[in-house]
Amino acid sequence: QSALTQPPSASGSPGQSVTISCTGTSSDVGGYNYVSWYQQHPGKAPKLMIYEVNKRPSGVPDRFSGSKSGNTASLTVSGLQAEDEADYYCSSYAGSNNYVFGTGTKVTVL
Amino acid sequence: QVQLQESGPGLVKPSETLSLTCSVSGYSISSGYYWGWIRQPPGKGLELIGSIYYSGSTYYNPSLKSRVTMSVDTSKNQFSLKLSSVTATDTAVYYCARLGDYIVGYWGQGTLVTVSS
Repeated sequence: QSALTQPPSASGSPGQSVTISCTGTSSDVGGYNYVSWYQQHPGKAPKLMIYEVNKRPSGVPDRFSGSKSGNTASLTVSGLQAEDEADYYCSSYAGSNNYVFGTGTKVTVL
Repeated sequence: QVQLQESGPGLVKPSETLSLTCSVSGYSISSGYYWGWIRQPPGKGLELIGSIYYSGSTYYNPSLKSRVTMSVDTSKNQFSLKLSSVTATDTAVYYCARLGDYIVGYWGQGTLVTVSS
């Protein structure tokens, strides 16, 4: 099993939007609508931001949204704020209790 | 509120066995969900090591399967990880977590394990 592919970095100015892609295969991203996104600040555990492709847990701002097309999922952060600067990881269920994570994207707020 | 806390040695010698325990509070392991271990080498991404159900059913990452053993102690509401024959590439922050509903819903704070002589 290979890690899902994400761009190493993305950036935007405050108030702008940034979109991060997450590319897998038909055995993970393309095969299930169970893509989730996690935000990780330095030295902290990851935090769930999006689940089941486009659902937000309680407490996550609606600036965060998700989508999927084929084997590629995307996370969009609109109205960037300073506290959004973090690493973001996608994850997909891959069957049989297996979860595959992405390579991670560092988001910088300029 | 579900809380998880890892414990175990922070330094392990090469070729030895890494052992970690995760203590769970706020939820009974016997009530369901899979309980897993995820690691993150310094400056790198996340990797699922494996998971275990309270009944003992397990899933191990194929790339680590030959070296991984997980167990659960429902009486203590804990689950454990053993990773044998470690090398420097096993140096990482190890997180315990609750897996279920196709997400990692709860994470421990993580513990750094360094493999070095």
